[in-house]
Amino acid sequence: DAGVTQSPTHLIKTRGQQVTLRCSPKSGHDTVSWYQQALGQGPQFIFQYYEEEERQRGNFPDRFSGHQFPNYSSELNVNALLLGDSALYLCASSGLGRGTEAFFGQGTRLTVV
Amino acid sequence: GIQVEQSPPDLILQEGANSTLRCNFSDSVNNLQWFHQNPWGQLINLFYIPSGTKQNGRLSATTVATERYSLLYISSSQTTDSGVYFCAVTGGFKTIFGAGTRLFVKA
Repeated sequence: DAGVTQSPTHLIKTRGQQVTLRCSPKSGHDTVSWYQQALGQGPQFIFQYYEEEERQRGNFPDRFSGHQFPNYSSELNVNALLLGDSALYLCASSGLGRGTEAFFGQGTRLTVV
Repeated sequence: GIQVEQSPPDLILQEGANSTLRCNFSDSVNNLQWFHQNPWGQLINLFYIPSGTKQNGRLSATTVATERYSLLYISSSQTTDSGVYFCAVTGGFKTIFGAGTRLFVKA
């Protein structure tokens, strides 16, 4: 049973560019959440997708957007990249309902130069 | 929004020692998890524990939801226990992480 998988694992982009990160949830899970983790800090919630809709959003600008596909996989898009967007981006999947255990992928390490 | 505080922020132990990590949260939650983040960034699930007590080998955890705190116990620590331990709580559909406890176990 494959766990949560993310791609790519590492990425280098230039300021002003756009980036797309991908996440496949754990088998049987239908909810995907995205997090940004800056160096030395805890992960910060970006948003959650369920039934192909953004269900909840954290304090991130509109440059951060997402999508969920019918097979429950998800993408995180970041436009007009800033140096401060350099971070580890984590995807988590969980099952139905609010009180279910979340599992994380290995993350995508984004560097903006 | 919900605030999550973890203590201590840093902890250095001699191999074989025991430790207790604490997580306080500011509001009622419907989910609480403990994670260990390895040096490569992978978050490893330790406990899913919105309430009660669980044990897994040398690790155990207790959450007292009515008093809004959770404890993670590590017994007979090993060098492989080193890393960052995070508490994460979920209110509604939003999950908030604490700042973590950075543990270093010396051989």
